[in-house]
Amino acid sequence: AQSVTQPDIHITVSEGASLELRCNYSYGATPYLFWYVQSPGQGLQLLLKYFSGDTLVQGIKGFEAEFKRSQSSFNLRKPSVHWSDAAEYFCAVATSSGNTPLVFGKGTRLSVIA
Amino acid sequence: NAGVMQNPRHLVRRRGQEARLRCSPMKGHSHVYWYRQLPEEGLKFMVYLQKENIIDESGMPKERFSAEFPKEGPSILRIQQVVRGDSAAYFCASSPRSSTNEKLFFGSGTQLSVL
Repeated sequence: AQSVTQPDIHITVSEGASLELRCNYSYGATPYLFWYVQSPGQGLQLLLKYFSGDTLVQGIKGFEAEFKRSQSSFNLRKPSVHWSDAAEYFCAVATSSGNTPLVFGKGTRLSVIA
Repeated sequence: NAGVMQNPRHLVRRRGQEARLRCSPMKGHSHVYWYRQLPEEGLKFMVYLQKENIIDESGMPKERFSAEFPKEGPSILRIQQVVRGDSAAYFCASSPRSSTNEKLFFGSGTQLSVL
């Protein structure tokens, strides 16, 4: 069965600094990978996804992620963090692009300080 | 085009009572998923439904939990005889007829608190 590990429970960065959130997955075949963001009291919003093709994917709000098969990783990055980026970030994996349930990591909480 | 609507936003129940959580998918969406988020945990899949059919309930507890998505009206997640361990945020997601994970939209969730 597939699984997702987000090693960092909580990260604090200064506004304007760069950000990298780590995600490692376990799945034998080609994974379908997602990053979601959850603001307090809100549902999840899709930031970006990887299905195939270019391993560097661009998402909304200036986020990008890189799929590295050799490292089973799909880390999320942003060059310059804004205070409004403070939220919970979830990495997820699916076994297909269709109606297979997503398997989520436990999330990384991002705090942004001035 | 309204998003996925869940109600109530917060639900408080005493042990032994029933909890009914409602989810209205986005317009044109005929696929509904329910996920549960325990404190300090990621979302865990519970059940996947299409109109009038349960497609995958592999994540549902065997007892006390049930889900439906009738031809008309919202999808309902029903928890009978709630216990404190049922306290969690329950999220619904919907996708359109073309049904792909890239078109999955989440609601804001229902926070269930069991006293």
